[in-house]
Amino acid sequence: IAGITQAPTSQILAAGRRMTLRCTQDMRHNAMYWYRQDLGLGLRLIHYSNTAGTTGKGEVPDGYSVSRANTDDFPLTLASAVPSQTSVYFCASSPSRTDTQYFGPGTRLTVL
Amino acid sequence: EDQVTQSPEALRLQEGESSSLNCSYTVSGLRGLFWYRQDPGKGPEFLFTLYSAGEEKEKERLKATLTKKESFLHITAPKPEDSATYLCAVFPLTGGGNKLTFGTGTQLKVEL
Repeated sequence: IAGITQAPTSQILAAGRRMTLRCTQDMRHNAMYWYRQDLGLGLRLIHYSNTAGTTGKGEVPDGYSVSRANTDDFPLTLASAVPSQTSVYFCASSPSRTDTQYFGPGTRLTVL
Repeated sequence: EDQVTQSPEALRLQEGESSSLNCSYTVSGLRGLFWYRQDPGKGPEFLFTLYSAGEEKEKERLKATLTKKESFLHITAPKPEDSATYLCAVFPLTGGGNKLTFGTGTQLKVEL
C-alpha cells in the first residue's frame, strides 16, 4: 500500500506554460487536498474536495484549478504558470473532511 | 481569523536533553489540534490529534498536551533521529471549507 503518490517529484517550468500536478491515493479516502508550502509562510490550502465530484476553494486558489472525477485522483492544474507559483506542493487526503489529513511526498515546482 | 504561532523557530538539543515545543493558537472554537513531523524534502507525517483541553497523547519519546490557548510537544531524552521540523495545525469548529491553519514549525536538531 503506497498511501499517496505525487508526480512529478520535481519540475522546472517556463512562465506561461500549463502544468498538471498529479495526486493518487489508495486509501479510499473521501476528502483530498492540495497545499503549497513556502518558507516562512507554512502550509496553505489551495483547493479541496470532500467527495468525488465536488471541489472547493481554499486560502490561496487563484491561478489553480482542480477536478475530482473519481475517489482516488485529484490533479492540480496551473493554467498559465507564473514565478510566484514556485513552491513545494503537497497533496493530502483524509477519510472525511473532519478527520486527520495524511500527506504525500510533495512536488517541488520552479517557475522561471 | 485563525492563527497558529510556534516557538521557538529553531531548537538545538544535545542527545538526552529533554525540552518542549510550543504551539499557541487563536481559533473560534477548536475541532482539533494536529501535530506533524516533517523531514527535509518529505511530506508532513502525522503524529497526534488533540481534541479538548487537558488531553494528552504519547508516542515513544513524544508527548503532546493541550490547553485552551496552546499545545506543547514534550520531547523526553531525544535522539538524533528526532531531528526534524515539527508542525502544529488547528481545525476550527465553524467556518466553510476544510481549512487547517498551520504554524510555520519548529526546526529541531538533536546532536550527539
